[in-house]
Amino acid sequence: DAGVIQSPRHEVTEMGQEVTLRCKPISGHNSLFWYRQTMMRGLELLIYFNNNVPIDDSGMPEDRFSAKMPNASFSTLKIQPSEPRDSAVYFCASSHRRGGSLNEKLFFGSGTQLSVL
Amino acid sequence: AQKVTQAQTEISVVEKEDVTLDCVYETRDTTYYLFWYKQPPSGELVFLIRRNSFDEQNEISGRYSWNFQKSTSSFNFTITASQVVDSAVYFCALSGGGGATNKLIFGTGTLLAVQP
Repeated sequence: DAGVIQSPRHEVTEMGQEVTLRCKPISGHNSLFWYRQTMMRGLELLIYFNNNVPIDDSGMPEDRFSAKMPNASFSTLKIQPSEPRDSAVYFCASSHRRGGSLNEKLFFGSGTQLSVL
Repeated sequence: AQKVTQAQTEISVVEKEDVTLDCVYETRDTTYYLFWYKQPPSGELVFLIRRNSFDEQNEISGRYSWNFQKSTSSFNFTITASQVVDSAVYFCALSGGGGATNKLIFGTGTLLAVQP
């Protein structure tokens, strides 16, 4: 079975450019999560969706970040304009949520290593 | 507020040694869930275990074991007879028991290096 698929694996861009990260969750999963990992802040939840609807975006750093989930099999995280401090590994994860609590295990993608010069 | 503390930033052991990774959590929820994830050098986080707050039984899976103690708010992870393939960053995580906006909070991770 295919796991969570993220693209690209690596992205190098210049400050000010738009960056779009992509994620395909596991088929049948109804929850999708975007995490950011840095040495300084560890793993931070940016936003998560349940049934394609954003539930909590309080972790999104600022207006430069936006995420969409147009259907159950695809999500994007966009940074516009990008800044050097956005350099991090961005992970997408999915799960099959039952009820209202987050107690299911998450399946993570391999991450996108973003470097903003 | 919920919080997960992994005080050990890095641990280095020699193969075949036993090693325990500590995890201390804070929550006001009476129902909550605790997790351990492994992040090998390849980068992808892999689920290891989930426990709910009502189940304090320790669990053993092969060389892995987990000690959950509510009295000390700890959920420690022990690897017996460590192997080089166990080298990874290990994350402890916590989620509350209710509410659609509940989040999964990760600790800062412990880097385990197993030397041959």
